[in-house]
Amino acid sequence: DAKTTQPPSMDCAEGRAANLPCNHSTISGNEYVYWYRQIHSQGPQYIIHGLKNNETNEMASLIITEDRKSSTLILPHATLRDTAVYYCIVCGGTSYGKLTFGQGTILTVHP
Amino acid sequence: DTGVSQDPRHKITKRGQNVTFRCDPISEHNRLYWYRQTLGQGPEFLTYFQNEAQLEKSRLLSDRFSAERPKGSFSTLEIQRTEQGDSAMYLCASSRSWTENIQYFGAGTRLSVL
Repeated sequence: DAKTTQPPSMDCAEGRAANLPCNHSTISGNEYVYWYRQIHSQGPQYIIHGLKNNETNEMASLIITEDRKSSTLILPHATLRDTAVYYCIVCGGTSYGKLTFGQGTILTVHP
Repeated sequence: DTGVSQDPRHKITKRGQNVTFRCDPISEHNRLYWYRQTLGQGPEFLTYFQNEAQLEKSRLLSDRFSAERPKGSFSTLEIQRTEQGDSAMYLCASSRSWTENIQYFGAGTRLSVL
């Protein structure tokens, strides 16, 4: 699976948009970008995924660059409950199944 | 849909003892995964099942570790002769099929080996 690079930590004010970047420059054509988050003392939670088009669901939006080498997860109106570790994961192709988690980004939402 | 259930939530054991964890996936989910997470790190893949067949095992899964999913429903993860390095959170996840990699995780079993 392609390796991903994320900033170790980010801050955001409550009510503002949180934009979490991820670099995946070695992504191959049949690999998807997945985002999960893990709130303290809980298991990871799926947020959103995409291949090459931008995606939106009730939780977040995913913007993937045209060359697919990077993406941004957008939480449009962050709340205190969005404080968590956010993981960007690339998977697909021959290794469809297991998720390879990196260190993720610790997002702290401040009042 | 009651979510993925793991039991126990916490386990404290002495070095050298055997422990067994159970995972009940979301009903009708064909795939079941086990991960291990140590403090400050992301989860690491251990193994996964498609129905009752164990399809892949990580090199992290030493011969002291064994996982089963006998009837394609719940799964057990056993660690024999536990070591202090086995202390971690053990996470279970399930997904609907191999074409959809949206995994639903349980709350985990925290193992402490004294």
